[in-house]
Amino acid sequence: AQKITQTQPGMFVQEKEAVTLDCTYDTSDPSYGLFWYKQPSSGEMIFLIYQGSYDQQNATEGRYSLNFQKARKSANLVISASQLGDSAMYFCAMRENGAGSYQLTFGKGTKLSVIP
Amino acid sequence: EAQVTQNPRYLITVTGKKLTVTCSQNMNHEYMSWYRQDPGLGLRQIYYSMNVEVTDKGDVPEGYKVSRKEKRNFPLILESPSPNQTSLYFCASSSRLAGKSLNYNEQFFGPGTRLTVL
Repeated sequence: AQKITQTQPGMFVQEKEAVTLDCTYDTSDPSYGLFWYKQPSSGEMIFLIYQGSYDQQNATEGRYSLNFQKARKSANLVISASQLGDSAMYFCAMRENGAGSYQLTFGKGTKLSVIP
Repeated sequence: EAQVTQNPRYLITVTGKKLTVTCSQNMNHEYMSWYRQDPGLGLRQIYYSMNVEVTDKGDVPEGYKVSRKEKRNFPLILESPSPNQTSLYFCASSSRLAGKSLNYNEQFFGPGTRLTVL
């Protein structure tokens, strides 16, 4: 079974609108971290936001927020007020502490296109 | 500036010709890792290293070697490259950050190496 599932291969959003990118995860480890990365067409991986499994509040970083629903094992990324520069691939990733390997397991990504 | 560097950024080579992709970080991180990215598959871990002289296999280690003789460097070696190793490769490093959540281990990524094996 996939540990990270991103069900939306591609998404479109109008500029200045909000968009939600879905991510569900699968783990039996009680201690884990969830990450979102942005990959523009230039190829670099840009860290956006982090949520720990024990964090009580949803993480926020500027226009990015993470809708963390632990019981449903979902960690959706919300981008508010979309900008043309938000057009990119977005990856959800998980690190399981019990694994001891520091490995990030990635989803297959969602390609976001912002329409003017 | 804190960064992870990779060289070369682009490489076209032929089947069987040994090559090395270098990775270096200046953040004194203990943990370093190599990933490959293929269309529709996301990033998959090749090898990782928890510290000097400590390396272990990731999910897709076949056809690759690594070494960690110094803390800052973690080269990826393809002894006999094949076309199915054509991919975008990322090196990453991280460390436990004092004062942060125990789970927090942001991985800093290098700029990527685009490898084509003909």
